[in-house]
Amino acid sequence: DQQVKQNSPSLSVQEGRISILNCDYTNSMFDYFLWYKKYPAEGPTFLISISSIKDKNEDGRFTVFLNKSAKHLSLHIVPSQPGDSAVYFCAARTSGTYKYIFGTGTRLKVLA
Amino acid sequence: EPEVTQTPSHQVTQMGQEVILRCVPISNHLYFYWYRQILGQKVEFLVSFYNNEISEKSEIFDDQFSVERPDGSNFTLKIRSTKLEDSAMYFCASKQGDQETQYFGPGTRLLVL
Repeated sequence: DQQVKQNSPSLSVQEGRISILNCDYTNSMFDYFLWYKKYPAEGPTFLISISSIKDKNEDGRFTVFLNKSAKHLSLHIVPSQPGDSAVYFCAARTSGTYKYIFGTGTRLKVLA
Repeated sequence: EPEVTQTPSHQVTQMGQEVILRCVPISNHLYFYWYRQILGQKVEFLVSFYNNEISEKSEIFDDQFSVERPDGSNFTLKIRSTKLEDSAMYFCASKQGDQETQYFGPGTRLLVL
């Protein structure tokens, strides 16, 4: 039951360019979405989030876009830096619960 | 910056043995969680805990699992009789009452032989 899907297992981007990580979901009851970054042997680190009442949230180099009609969200990182190389997970929750449903992750590699 | 801590970082155990994984959530947080990630798979929710009781649990969290907040700082996950398929990275997370974001610890890698 994959309610949250990240269809690209990996992505390589040149330093300074834009990284776009995508996430699709099936549950229309999700009302809050988050992106986490994970380095090997560490726990997920919160990056940015968005409520379903918004379609965009920006924090420095990171912007998350939400398209509710398409049940799609994306994370834009610009400019990409080598230190951004990690696995990125999107996560979602439904109203009334604090259980996060995670995607399978996308491994981003930023090339210097 | 305050952070969630977990001990041990690695645990190796024999099948059928009991293990206790320990977490110290961020001090002013009120909601506590356990997740796990089997190697190569996604992070999966196990259980949430608030006000000294389980508020939500997944189908993974069966009778072999239990959680406890034995004092004001620790939050533990006990697996009574470990199985091979319990081998995974276990993450603890915590959250303030009025915020959405859960903050994760570094994880405990459990290997059941």
